[in-house]
Amino acid sequence: QVQLLESGGGVVHPGRSLRLSCAASRFTFSTYHMNWVRQAPGKGLEWVAAISYDGTKEYYADFVKGRFTISRDNSNNTLYLQMSSLSAEDTAVYYCARAMVTIRQLDYWGQGTLVTVSS
Amino acid sequence: DIVMTQTPLSSPVTLGQPASISCRSSQSLVHSDGTTYLSWLHQRPGQPPRLLIYKISNRFSGVPDRFSGSGAGTDFTLKISRVEAEDVGVYFCMQATQFPSTFGQGTRLEIK
Repeated sequence: QVQLLESGGGVVHPGRSLRLSCAASRFTFSTYHMNWVRQAPGKGLEWVAAISYDGTKEYYADFVKGRFTISRDNSNNTLYLQMSSLSAEDTAVYYCARAMVTIRQLDYWGQGTLVTVSS
Repeated sequence: DIVMTQTPLSSPVTLGQPASISCRSSQSLVHSDGTTYLSWLHQRPGQPPRLLIYKISNRFSGVPDRFSGSGAGTDFTLKISRVEAEDVGVYFCMQATQFPSTFGQGTRLEIK
């Protein structure tokens, strides 16, 4: 069974940075596109970013452009999300999700990691 | 951005009875490759979302056949033929036709 395990969440002050990781296992990570999706407490789902299987193409939601960077290390089966200039509106559970066939068609999701931006 | 609108937002159902959720997109979800990338996800309390249906009507691995999807263009439906206790939670439709991927607001399914 595909496994995706996020880490790196926590409480951070407004304006600060944080890096999330997603460790992938039980599938050939380097052949799949990957995404980050977030969910604010008690709210719906919001797509954040996507990266191609080889890391050459990145896509971002408008609300994170210039602040977040998605990347991957295929040699270590890990997906990253570098977040900067964080604000209270970024408080959410962040999920990594694998894409099937096309970069936007999500199939497996991780358990998520909670990011709380608060002073 | 494509706006996804679900109805109803809450659906109380009786065990063993059918349930239906609608999802409408603000524009056609037919991709230039001819495929319609409309998915349905289920999220139980405290759990991550889980893929149920992709490309309108394809059940994902391990999804019971009581779940079915239908529709075309801008109007889509998820149906549960006989609701079981484990089906409670929130259902989301999602379009994966164009960036940014967008989701419906969610429909909460609860047992009467």
